[in-house]
Amino acid sequence: RKEVEQDPGPFNVPEGATVAFNCTYSNSASQSFFWYRQDCRKEPKLLMSVYSSGNEDGRFTAQLNRASQYISLLIRDSKLSDSATYLCVVNISGYSNASKIIFGSGTRLSIQP
Amino acid sequence: DGGITQSPKYLFRKEGQNVTLSCEQNLNHDAMYWYRQDPGQGLRLIYYSQIVNDFQKGDIAEGYSVSREKKESFPLTVTSAQKNPTAFYLCASSDTVNTEAFFGQGTRLTVV
Repeated sequence: RKEVEQDPGPFNVPEGATVAFNCTYSNSASQSFFWYRQDCRKEPKLLMSVYSSGNEDGRFTAQLNRASQYISLLIRDSKLSDSATYLCVVNISGYSNASKIIFGSGTRLSIQP
Repeated sequence: DGGITQSPKYLFRKEGQNVTLSCEQNLNHDAMYWYRQDPGQGLRLIYYSQIVNDFQKGDIAEGYSVSREKKESFPLTVTSAQKNPTAFYLCASSDTVNTEAFFGQGTRLTVV
């Protein structure tokens, strides 16, 4: 089983729609959680961190459910510029404070005009 | 200004040759990571390092080697033992356990 699993996509939605991505993680030692955005042939860039209380940044809302080991990202009023691949990311702590950052396989989003 | 530098951006090598990809950061981050990305796929962890002179294997370490002799540098060698080396290689660093990773612009390696 993969440590981080995402909806495979692609999601093709009309401009202005609301779209939701889901992600599950398997390692209970996971300490911190993020959503990254990756444009075609570019490096991933941080979209937002995900907190237990949930957090919002403009049209983007992220939620974390530790009991279910589940993370979500909601995009409201989607724009053409939101077209990208969205990556769910988990920072897993190991022994001696060592940690590794694991990425999901990504969900491709295409906003249609 | 601070950041992560990967070089070169594009690299071509003949099959059977070892090649070393450079990654340098001036963010004073303790942790550094190497990922591989194939077309249409997510990022897979090759190696990671939390401190100088120490590193751990990720999920796909076979055919790769790394060193961490300096805090700011984490070079990756793709050896001839790696059966399918053609890919997009991304280096990242992070400050502490709970902070996000910052990426370099990546190196596209093509083996012919």
